[in-house]
Amino acid sequence: DTEVTQTPKHLVMGMTNKKSLKCEQHMGHRAMYWYKQKAKKPPELMFVYSYEKLSINESVPSRFSPECPNSSLLNLHLHALQPEDSALYLCASSQDFDRNRNYGYTFGSGTRLTVV
Amino acid sequence: GQNIDQPTEMTATEGAIVQINCTYQTSGFNGLFWYQQHAGEAPTFLSYNVLDGLEEKGRFSSFLSRSKGYSYLLLKELQMKDSASYLCAVLMFSGGYNKLIFGAGTRLAVHP
Repeated sequence: DTEVTQTPKHLVMGMTNKKSLKCEQHMGHRAMYWYKQKAKKPPELMFVYSYEKLSINESVPSRFSPECPNSSLLNLHLHALQPEDSALYLCASSQDFDRNRNYGYTFGSGTRLTVV
Repeated sequence: GQNIDQPTEMTATEGAIVQINCTYQTSGFNGLFWYQQHAGEAPTFLSYNVLDGLEEKGRFSSFLSRSKGYSYLLLKELQMKDSASYLCAVLMFSGGYNKLIFGAGTRLAVHP
């Protein structure tokens, strides 16, 4: 299995809703990432988990709450979002987060989120 | 801080060769990636350079000059399916961790 699987592929939610995005990989990768991508813009890093611990939070608003239940799963909990949060949310994983071992990131196909 | 620059758009003809340039200014440089992204899809890995020089992989080649903060992606024998965005991304070491930071991407249109 060489894929990162994200569900759902599409999500429409109201500003008062609570929803979760899910990401799963079975490649034994120990680092997992959430990126946000607006239309015609590059992916922007949100969170990094390394060995199931949150390593980087790029000053993301608290209405986004990441969770890493185990080494294969990564969730992003959403609450009280704004319309400007509508974007493609990409999950990625890499083999290791160690400085001296640099590996390619494998991206999932993303969840296209629309906040109404 | 960091800055990654690449052209916004390029056009080329099927069967031709195109070079997409990327310049960067970052601290803690730890390698440079090129990704291909079709509209609405995930980025897919094309190449990785950490040492100066040329890396060749089939129709795609990538070059890196660390002293100049410069890389390029070379696509040969262009096909219509190569129409996509090409993202230059720098792996930078900051605050004890590696972070992959993307440039704005170059939208390549291949015409018959």
